[in-house]
Amino acid sequence: DGGITQSPKYLFRKEGQNVTLSCEQNLNHDAMYWYRQDPGQGLRLIYYSQIVNDFQKGDIAEGYSVSREKKESFPLTVTSAQKNPTAFYLCATTSGGAYEQYFGPGTRLTVT
Amino acid sequence: GQNIDQPTEMTATEGAIVQINCTYQTSGFNGLFWYQQHAGEAPTFLSYNVLDGLEEKGRFSSFLSRSKGYSYLLLKELQMKDSASYLCAQGGYSTLTFGKGTMLLVSP
Repeated sequence: DGGITQSPKYLFRKEGQNVTLSCEQNLNHDAMYWYRQDPGQGLRLIYYSQIVNDFQKGDIAEGYSVSREKKESFPLTVTSAQKNPTAFYLCATTSGGAYEQYFGPGTRLTVT
Repeated sequence: GQNIDQPTEMTATEGAIVQINCTYQTSGFNGLFWYQQHAGEAPTFLSYNVLDGLEEKGRFSSFLSRSKGYSYLLLKELQMKDSASYLCAQGGYSTLTFGKGTMLLVSP
């Protein structure tokens, strides 16, 4: 059963703590992306990776970090430096280039 | 950056037709995507246009004019389940830039 998994669906953290969101895919896609969505807003790109061991900053990378050690996995760490971390986080993949992106179910992070 | 503009909200009646417009900057253009997103869920792909003209897919159609930097999504025979946010996204070299989405409310 191919797809993208993000876990957990809901995550709660205290302010000042780092938290890592997982994204796993078995679609054999090369490129993976992390987006953030706030209420009434579109998707804003945080980081993306087109190949293993390489990644680029998106429009709002400050306060976030990523790694791409395996093709299947692209975890996102929300650090304590991120001033407004509460949001809906979406992971996406594509087979390459700016083509159709497939989205995981998302993780809703709440930091208090 | 690339500016994507689309209306914030639209309302329509079940069975009607609605057109959601989207304008974008023509520089660095590499395709125009439409996604549907129900509340609390992930976006799902609806259409992709890279050439001018109308692409029809069932009740949904998408139009592109590259010279005008303009696209629209046409939804026919509206159903209650079509109530959702519709995201316009411009393809660049290796990433997509999304608009803020148009919330469509379908009433009986």
